[in-house]
Amino acid sequence: SAVISQKPSRDICQRGTSLTIQCQVDSQVTMMFWYRQQPGQSLTLIATANQGSEATYESGFVIDKFPISRPNLTFSTLTVSNLSPEDSSIYLCSVSFRLRANTEAFFGQGTRLTVV
Amino acid sequence: GQQVMQIPQYQHVQEGEDFTTYCNSSTTLSNIQWYKQRPGGHPVFLIQLVKSGEVKKQKRLTFQFGEAKKNSSLHITATQTTDVGTYFCAGANHAGGTSYGKLTFGQGTILTVHP
Repeated sequence: SAVISQKPSRDICQRGTSLTIQCQVDSQVTMMFWYRQQPGQSLTLIATANQGSEATYESGFVIDKFPISRPNLTFSTLTVSNLSPEDSSIYLCSVSFRLRANTEAFFGQGTRLTVV
Repeated sequence: GQQVMQIPQYQHVQEGEDFTTYCNSSTTLSNIQWYKQRPGGHPVFLIQLVKSGEVKKQKRLTFQFGEAKKNSSLHITATQTTDVGTYFCAGANHAGGTSYGKLTFGQGTILTVHP
């Protein structure tokens, strides 16, 4: 298993600003992902955070809006840029271990973002 | 792209009644996983199904994976108030070997249990 520390747990931001979310894992993990969960909705994958290289983004998500860093195997950041009220969501960091083909995902506590 | 549909969206039951949620994928899955999210919490892994036709049980919870590996169900027998939350299925497709760990989540079923 993995213990994931995600910060901040919540924030209220002004439109036009940016918020950077940190995800720290207590062990080295192969795969790190960032999801968005809009109020009352399901989880949508934003991107896969690749260690030492550019993140892989899902359709509808772009690097300029959601820049991601992953400097090592235990840490990643997601920045939500040029905030608008539509960005108000919960953002979740997720990790899994590629020790075998089929593995479960572990989630951070989430960051609840409100844009005003 | 891959889509995972989950029904029903909501389910209200009396304590002691049974509950079932269903998932259907647009593509054949490598595995399907189930998660529970309590109100205000984050998704927590419940189980993973890998084999065609697989059935797994955890106490009052029974999970099934369809023969075609495209559908799945979660059944809870005799619900309790502690079962309240949103249940998500999440499908994984490892075709090509490049998508390990990526999950496509269903819409979730919100379960409320009345005492």
